Amino acid sequence: DTEVTQTPKHLVMGMTNKKSLKCEQHMGHRAMYWYKQKAKKPPELMFVYSYEKLSINESVPSRFSPECPNSSLLNLHLHALQPEDSALYLCASSQDRSGMVVQVGNTIYFGEGSWLTVV
Amino acid sequence: QKEVEQDPGPLSVPEGAIVSLNCTYSNSAFQYFMWYRQYSRKGPELLMYTYSSGNKEDGRFTAQVDKSSKYISLFIRDSQPSDSATYLCAMSPTYGGSQGNLIFGKGTKLSVKP
Repeated sequence: DTEVTQTPKHLVMGMTNKKSLKCEQHMGHRAMYWYKQKAKKPPELMFVYSYEKLSINESVPSRFSPECPNSSLLNLHLHALQPEDSALYLCASSQDRSGMVVQVGNTIYFGEGSWLTVV
Repeated sequence: QKEVEQDPGPLSVPEGAIVSLNCTYSNSAFQYFMWYRQYSRKGPELLMYTYSSGNKEDGRFTAQVDKSSKYISLFIRDSQPSDSATYLCAMSPTYGGSQGNLIFGKGTKLSVKP
């Protein structure tokens, strides 16, 4: 079983709604990620948090707003989304993102995802 | 040329068959190679990871990396219907992809028939 927990598993929202996706991990990982995955496509990186600070934003529209309240939690706030934003949103974590020192097992683990439908 | 090429399939095999899944890549900076299994409507599950060239075995799964040919493989022995899923290769120039810059293949959809 994955140790990255995402809620809700399914979300349907209107284009004027505000909602949030939540992610939690208790592996002591200090890097957390949001990915977006459309049907029959690989995951695409959206945001990277390292030690609770946003370190990578892959030119994601401002209607997606990430938040990292602490080292175990990662949120994705959604506002004024478009139907084309409907996708599987994946949270992931890894030990750290220094990339400077080889560490055993420093790999990215994904949650089961939140299925988002924008109507 | 895409950085990572993976045949999307679908690949259909009978139960008990040996399955070979492959990816090729163009970036010689890639050092770390991963295989993820993704069941329908679920997140990717890490199956295997290898660093640099060589083989790694875990139960029925063997991951193989040939950096000289820029070619990686995942072999599944004695395939089971429960192995039916999409298999994604992923690679990174940094250890474990901890920069967040995992480069994924498109995924190969595998179906194992009873």
